[in-house]
Amino acid sequence: GAGVSQTPSNKVTEKGKYVELRCDPISGHTALYWYRQSLGQGPEFLIYFQGTGAADDSGLPNDRFFAVRPEGSVSTLKIQRTERGDSAVYLCASSLGTSGIQETQYFGPGTRLLVL
Amino acid sequence: GQQLNQSPQSMFIQEGEDVSMNCTSSSIFNTWLWYKQDPGEGPVLLIALYKAGELTSNGRLTAQFGITRKDSFLNISASIPSDVGIYFCAGQLGFGAQKLVFGQGTRLTINP
Repeated sequence: GAGVSQTPSNKVTEKGKYVELRCDPISGHTALYWYRQSLGQGPEFLIYFQGTGAADDSGLPNDRFFAVRPEGSVSTLKIQRTERGDSAVYLCASSLGTSGIQETQYFGPGTRLLVL
Repeated sequence: GQQLNQSPQSMFIQEGEDVSMNCTSSSIFNTWLWYKQDPGEGPVLLIALYKAGELTSNGRLTAQFGITRKDSFLNISASIPSDVGIYFCAGQLGFGAQKLVFGQGTRLTINP
C-alpha cells in the first residue's frame, strides 16, 4: 500500500513569502505529525494531530507557523513571512492513532524548503 | 530543543566490522526507538523497545532499553555496505500516539 507522501519534494522561496507544505498520511491513520529537520540534526517535533484537532502544538516555533487537517486526512503546514532560518527538511509522519503501547510512526520523504 | 545525546556523531569502519552506538537522556522515556535515514528519505523504524531492560534483535541489529529508562544502545553485527546511513535514536515519554524526541544522529560510513 502507499506510504506517507509529501508535496512538493522541494520548495525554493524568497524571504518574506508564504509557503504551504502538504502531507498525505497512510490511509486509515488518524494520527499525523510534523517534524522539522535542520542540516546535520535529528528531526524536531512541531505539531501532532489526532483526527482533525491539534493534540499537541508545543513544537511550533512561533506564530508564523500554522497547520491544519480539516477532514482528518490530508494536512497542510503553513509558514508565513518566511525567514532564511526556516530552511530545513519538513517531515510528516502518520500512525494508527491508538492509545496502545506499540504505535509506529511512518515517515514521508520530506519537503526540502530553501528560503533565499 | 532536543534532549537526547547520541554518540558517536560519525563512524568510519571496514565492511564486516561490528558497530555500536548509544543514546542517553537526562529525562526518563517509556519507549525507545532506533531509526535509519537514507539520503533524501524519511527515517525508517529499525527497532522499538517498550520495557526497561528489554533486549531486542532484528536480524543483525540488537538494541537494549536501559534499566534506568534514560539510555539505549544499538549494535550492528557484521556490517555490510547497505548499512551506510544515519542512525537516530528517539524517545517517547508516554504510550500510544505521541511526539518523538530524536538524538542528533550517528553517520555510518563503511569502507569496502
